[in-house]
Amino acid sequence: DTAVSQTPKYLVTQMGNDKSIKCEQNLGHDTMYWYKQDSKKFLKIMFSYNNKELIINETVPNRFSPKSPDKAHLNLHINSLELGDSAVYFCASSQQNQPQHFGDGTRLSIL
Amino acid sequence: AQSVTQLDSHVSVSEGTPVLLRCNYSSSYSPSLFWYVQHPNKGLQLLLKYTSAATLVKGINGFEAEFKKSETSFHLTKPSAHMSDAAEYFCVVRKSGGYQKVTFGTGTKLQVIP
Repeated sequence: DTAVSQTPKYLVTQMGNDKSIKCEQNLGHDTMYWYKQDSKKFLKIMFSYNNKELIINETVPNRFSPKSPDKAHLNLHINSLELGDSAVYFCASSQQNQPQHFGDGTRLSIL
Repeated sequence: AQSVTQLDSHVSVSEGTPVLLRCNYSSSYSPSLFWYVQHPNKGLQLLLKYTSAATLVKGINGFEAEFKKSETSFHLTKPSAHMSDAAEYFCVVRKSGGYQKVTFGTGTKLQVIP
């Protein structure tokens, strides 16, 4: 299936831990994104990569570090997790000027 | 700068009646506008997009939206609601051209009553 897939779907972990979320798209898109959706459903962009180059970097704590090994992958690593990091994280991809395609989200819960 | 305002956080309709979800945008340039739907525990799915072609845009599942520049609006409508339409709907604005950041509205939760 052509899609944006992210793993894991659910992530429950302790405060202070380091965790990664992986994202892969097989749509041939050249741009990938990470969004955070809070408990009120508000979506905020965090990062965007075009052809492995960082093009959007919103005001995000530097505990969050995206890594794009190739055009089809954009992973999100989070250090020293805090309670406020609990949210749903969405990966998306697009081709220039085209709408974004979203993954199903990763539900991160910090204990 | 760009912004988008979804005027209603919740909309409740009876099955078979029309749906209207309101969206107003603000931008200092020619925008692209989108509507996305999010079903529970799912990602966002594109319903329709406006990119400076026809002002009345038809999307999937019977939805359509009309771009009205004079009113800076892009309201989403459907003639007859189905139970399966119950979801969260997001209006999105983006500057046309290039790799531009998108701005999401705060969402409208649509409830469909049987």
